Amino acid sequence: DADVTQTPRNRITKTGKRIMLECSQTKGHDRMYWYRQDPGLGLRLIYYSFDVKDINKGEISDGYSVSRQAQAKFSLSLESAIPNQTALYFCATSDLKGQGNSNEQFFGPGTRLTVL
Amino acid sequence: DQQVKQNSPSLSVQEGRISILNCDYTNSMFDYFLWYKKYPAEGPTFLISISSIKDKNEDGRFTVFLNKSAKHLSLHIVPSQPGDSAVYFCAARRGSNYKLTFGKGTLLTVNP
Repeated sequence: DADVTQTPRNRITKTGKRIMLECSQTKGHDRMYWYRQDPGLGLRLIYYSFDVKDINKGEISDGYSVSRQAQAKFSLSLESAIPNQTALYFCATSDLKGQGNSNEQFFGPGTRLTVL
Repeated sequence: DQQVKQNSPSLSVQEGRISILNCDYTNSMFDYFLWYKKYPAEGPTFLISISSIKDKNEDGRFTVFLNKSAKHLSLHIVPSQPGDSAVYFCAARRGSNYKLTFGKGTLLTVNP
């Protein structure tokens, strides 16, 4: 079973619609992240959370919001989707405890979102 | 301002030869560097890392070299295999409480 799961895996929606992407993890990690990947632009951080009570904006948070419902769950919302939010979205987790200082992040399989 | 740069969008090599992927950074406060590998339709997976206090780290066919004075790191894959064909991302960290900054990625194609 995957340690980091994302739902849905694919979604097509229309401009102006509200959409939520969900991420769950069974790794017991405190830290969770949302990234988007666009061709030629690599991975860009949208939001991150270092624990349930901590939410931080990343590089490109405009147009997005997040909710950390529990240690294991971190959801990303697009309140009013627009076409330039069409991208591949990844959730990731990390935990310093027991991993030395590497800060390795573990990624989910991604959600492909298309906004028409 | 792009702090982690992978200037080669793609690289093609023959099976059995060496693959060298390069990464440059601008922030001298970065203290840890990681390489991730990504196959289509999958999330990135961690490959190898190096602390800024070292200049080389090796794991099987993969070796990462760090040149701090040049703010440059490279990933060597020897010998390259067709299964190594993927996008490789370089990432950097500034302190244990900071997030990772990723480069744009390099698509490696290993031809049989």
